[in-house]
Amino acid sequence: DTGVSQDPRHKITKRGQNVTFRCDPISEHNRLYWYRQTLGQGPEFLTYFQNEAQLEKSRLLSDRFSAERPKGSFSTLEIQRTEQGDSAMYLCASSQLAPREETQYFGPGTRLLVL
Amino acid sequence: QKEVEQDPGPLSVPEGAIVSLNCTYSNSAFQYFMWYRQYSRKGPELLMYTYSSGNKEDGRFTAQVDKSSKYISLFIRDSQPSDSATYLCAMSAGFGNEKLTFGTGTRLTIIP
Repeated sequence: DTGVSQDPRHKITKRGQNVTFRCDPISEHNRLYWYRQTLGQGPEFLTYFQNEAQLEKSRLLSDRFSAERPKGSFSTLEIQRTEQGDSAMYLCASSQLAPREETQYFGPGTRLLVL
Repeated sequence: QKEVEQDPGPLSVPEGAIVSLNCTYSNSAFQYFMWYRQYSRKGPELLMYTYSSGNKEDGRFTAQVDKSSKYISLFIRDSQPSDSATYLCAMSAGFGNEKLTFGTGTRLTIIP
């Protein structure tokens, strides 16, 4: 297993465009998390899934953001009508709930720049 | 006021020195405490985790938690240039399987 992977690693878009990011968790990890990290700050929680169910969403996740994990494996995060304030690193993490609990392992992130 | 406070640094120390990194927090519900290391333009990498109060040692790294003071520390002994990175403290109420609340990160440079 090569760990959590994210695609693309970098994305430059114009304000108002839609973007979609993909995260592939560590195999058989039940939980998948999305965080956002801006320059000079720690990651901030956005949302998480247990299998295909989205269990919690942060207030940071405005209506322009939507996340899915349709088959309980990979996940996508879509941002509609991007704004310059959306420029950040978007991090995905996964963890295993069963047979034993583990902490979260992060992917390399997708760096978004909105012009 | 943020739930987790961490001095952003930057912190520069000579190779071989002992490094002390700290975080304070305000949420009494936090039970699990983690330290992540993040190299430039990379994702955070888990270094250590601790449950409740106490110490935990792993090689050159020692994590301490004092819940009565709401204060956690990470010590790095015999620091190496490869330790140069940003160190993030993170906490959760449940073990690693609930959302993590991070500090801002401390940028550390080890000078050869």
